[in-house]
Amino acid sequence: GAGVSQSPSNKVTEKGKDVELRCDPISGHTALYWYRQSLGQGLEFLIYFQGNSAPDKSGLPSDRFSAERTGGSVSTLTIQRTQQEDSAVYLCASSLAWGKLYEQYFGPGTRLTVT
Amino acid sequence: DAKTTQPPSMDCAEGRAANLPCNHSTISGNEYVYWYRQIHSQGPQYIIHGLKNNETNEMASLIITEDRKSSTLILPHATLRDTAVYYCIVRVAPIDTGTASKLTFGTGTRLQVTL
Repeated sequence: GAGVSQSPSNKVTEKGKDVELRCDPISGHTALYWYRQSLGQGLEFLIYFQGNSAPDKSGLPSDRFSAERTGGSVSTLTIQRTQQEDSAVYLCASSLAWGKLYEQYFGPGTRLTVT
Repeated sequence: DAKTTQPPSMDCAEGRAANLPCNHSTISGNEYVYWYRQIHSQGPQYIIHGLKNNETNEMASLIITEDRKSSTLILPHATLRDTAVYYCIVRVAPIDTGTASKLTFGTGTRLQVTL
């Protein structure tokens, strides 16, 4: 079946502009995660959505970052007033809940470059 | 969460079995062993997980020692497409707690499959 999809695959933006990154999780997966990965670095957790529960925003690096998940499916990560240090690959993952939260299926990522 | 130790790199000839070790000597009784890999320029990919019994799926086998202090991921017939960084992580039982399910990777083992 279809995996996790993300768009755009690449985004180049000027410092100070806002960007929106989209994630379509696997159908039926109630848990959705956003991570980012800088060049040569490990995963950095950003935010987690689980069903209708309040999201876990503990990983968001600043108030310029926000995310929403509409209808329990598609999610959008928004970065306002982008900075050069925001350049990274932004990865979305989804999983079934109830015992499978660590079986996370990742999308291909969005490579964000802030110039 | 228990810390894991993996060799930084390994080579394997195509068609041969790749055996990737992981030490997790401080693992506790309710922690699972998970394996992920990340092929260059792609998102991480879930491979397999286990608690104490050996596990096998279409991708790999996971052998966990009786004392659970180490494990080995086995790719039975490695191909060039298996060249990737392989990550071993341990996590508590996958109950539905959001913050407990965020993934963090160490440095992993860079597996190079050669002709």
